[in-house]
Amino acid sequence: SQTIHQWPATLVQPVGSPLSLECTVEGTSNPNLYWYRQAAGRGLQLLFYSVGIGQISSEVPQNLSASRPQDRQFILSSKKLLLSDSGFYLCAWSAGQGSGAYSNQPQHFGDGTRLSIL
Amino acid sequence: AQSVTQPDIHITVSEGASLELRCNYSYGATPYLFWYVQSPGQGLQLLLKYFSGDTLVQGIKGFEAEFKRSQSSFNLRKPSVHWSDAAEYFCAVGARDSSYKLIFGSGTRLLVRP
Repeated sequence: SQTIHQWPATLVQPVGSPLSLECTVEGTSNPNLYWYRQAAGRGLQLLFYSVGIGQISSEVPQNLSASRPQDRQFILSSKKLLLSDSGFYLCAWSAGQGSGAYSNQPQHFGDGTRLSIL
Repeated sequence: AQSVTQPDIHITVSEGASLELRCNYSYGATPYLFWYVQSPGQGLQLLLKYFSGDTLVQGIKGFEAEFKRSQSSFNLRKPSVHWSDAAEYFCAVGARDSSYKLIFGSGTRLLVRP
């Protein structure tokens, strides 16, 4: 069965520090991968998605970036964190192109990373 | 542009009572529809999905949802709510194109009275 791992679960960082959040998926090949942010009491904001190694689509221009160095690894980064980067970050995967139709595939979420910026 | 509206920010029901959470979508064709649940501090768990066929969809944890094309709605229902159902519920729409993306509603927080 497929599993998704996201770490760390909780992170407290000072303003201006760098960030690296990691997400890995097991039990599937060529997944689509997604990073979302959820501000307190708000819905989900799609930040990035990837349909393959090295292929990143950005949904919201900001000081965050994403990379996909391996098929089942998705990394969210920042060189200098802002206070507004605080939130709950969720990684998700869905079946990729090889499985046929695209956005009829449900997305499966990790347990999230709670990021607090001081 | 596609959009999803969950008109109720909070809903409070008594344990054992029935539940209906509303979801309306805006899309030119029949979309793919999903309901997710999120417990505090957790990720989202898929409850059910609608792609085509029978408009009444059964999901996990005793939930069901009904797709009504004429009303552009996909409301989530449960006949008898349990205290463990207290959580946030998200409706989502997937386009019938190659965008790979889901559009999420803003969520409805369910509180359950003992």
